[in-house]
Amino acid sequence: DTGVSQNPRHKITKRGQNVTFRCDPISEHNRLYWYRQTLGQGPEFLTYFQNEAQLEKSRLLSDRFSAERPKGSFSTLEIQRTEQGDSAMYLCASRGEWPSEKLFFGSGTQLSVL
Amino acid sequence: QKEVEQDPGPLSVPEGAIVSLNCTYSNSAFQYFMWYRQYSRKGPELLMYTYSSGNKEDGRFTAQVDKSSKYISLFIRDSQPSDSATYLCAASNTGNQFYFGTGTSLTVIP
Repeated sequence: DTGVSQNPRHKITKRGQNVTFRCDPISEHNRLYWYRQTLGQGPEFLTYFQNEAQLEKSRLLSDRFSAERPKGSFSTLEIQRTEQGDSAMYLCASRGEWPSEKLFFGSGTQLSVL
Repeated sequence: QKEVEQDPGPLSVPEGAIVSLNCTYSNSAFQYFMWYRQYSRKGPELLMYTYSSGNKEDGRFTAQVDKSSKYISLFIRDSQPSDSATYLCAASNTGNQFYFGTGTSLTVIP
């Protein structure tokens, strides 16, 4: 169990640029989540995958955001035409199956949009 | 009303004190309850995981769930400066969504 891995750890970009983040979940976990967290707030749900299928998306997820999980392994989150309001920590988490349905987070990608 | 409510603090205690952190939730269908510890600029780290009601103890940490009052608690005994962090509570039903509190910032003073 090597844990959930996220890359890059930090990303600084200019407004209007596109960015992509990668998440490698715990290998035996088929459920993967993306969250966004801003200072002083708890993680906010963005989207959820079971294997390669994207089963849920938050209403907060604008059409500038897209996530994929090809082959049900790693996942990518892309933000197009970034805005300053996109600045946040983007967290990936993976979850095991019953009876151990614990949610484990990666270290996150801190995005700063200038 | 948010699904999970948590007092943001900040909370400051002397080393060795017993710390009590609390959350309330609104959805009676929640069955899974978790506490996470988060250090600055790091991802949340799972501390305690409880299914349904009752207590769970792990070392200096005890998690309590009271479903009748929709109340979640985390107790930290013999608090240490290394416990200084933000503590997040979370709840989930049998579906796929997890709902988080805003986090309580804790400082343990040596």
